[in-house]
Amino acid sequence: DGGITQSPKYLFRKEGQNVTLSCEQNLNHDAMYWYRQDPGQGLRLIYYSQIVNDFQKGDIAEGYSVSREKKESFPLTVTSAQKNPTAFYLCASIGQGKTEAFFGQGTRLTVV
Amino acid sequence: AQRVTQPEKLLSVFKGAPVELKCNYSYSGSPELFWYVQYSRQRLQLLLRHISRESIKGFTADLNKGETSFHLKKPFAQEEDSAMYYCALSVPGTYKYIFGTGTRLKVLA
Repeated sequence: DGGITQSPKYLFRKEGQNVTLSCEQNLNHDAMYWYRQDPGQGLRLIYYSQIVNDFQKGDIAEGYSVSREKKESFPLTVTSAQKNPTAFYLCASIGQGKTEAFFGQGTRLTVV
Repeated sequence: AQRVTQPEKLLSVFKGAPVELKCNYSYSGSPELFWYVQYSRQRLQLLLRHISRESIKGFTADLNKGETSFHLKKPFAQEEDSAMYYCALSVPGTYKYIFGTGTRLKVLA
């Protein structure tokens, strides 16, 4: 069953701790993305990766880091430098031709 | 910088009424534009893309380069159209893919 999987669905962390969100896809897509979804602000691009071992900052990359060691995986680390980390995070992937983005179900991160 | 603007956060219409969800973009070249929809408790999914010039679930969208707009239209709204709609832009020559702020459509009985 092909798709894109994010885990966990809900995540709680204490302020000051780094936390890593998982995103895995078995669609054989080259490009992967991380977005942050906040009420009234839509989806804002954090990072994207076109190919393994390469990634670019999006519009709100400060306080986040990513890696792309495998084609299937694109984990996002929310660092303690991110001033307002509590949000809903969406991962997506796109195949060649860029015709359609496929999304995961999202991870809701709450920092207390 | 590229930007996608959806001026309405919420749009409420009665069943059977026409719907127009507005989308404006800022990009100097010829962008690739898309509409995505998120129904309650479902994943965000593609609704339509301008390059295919198709009608999906009765929705159409026309790219107006002069007005830099890509508004989504449907002549007769149905209750099942109630959802969150996002306009998206793919920057040609890159893999950058950005979204607007979204419009929640509520179709009232």
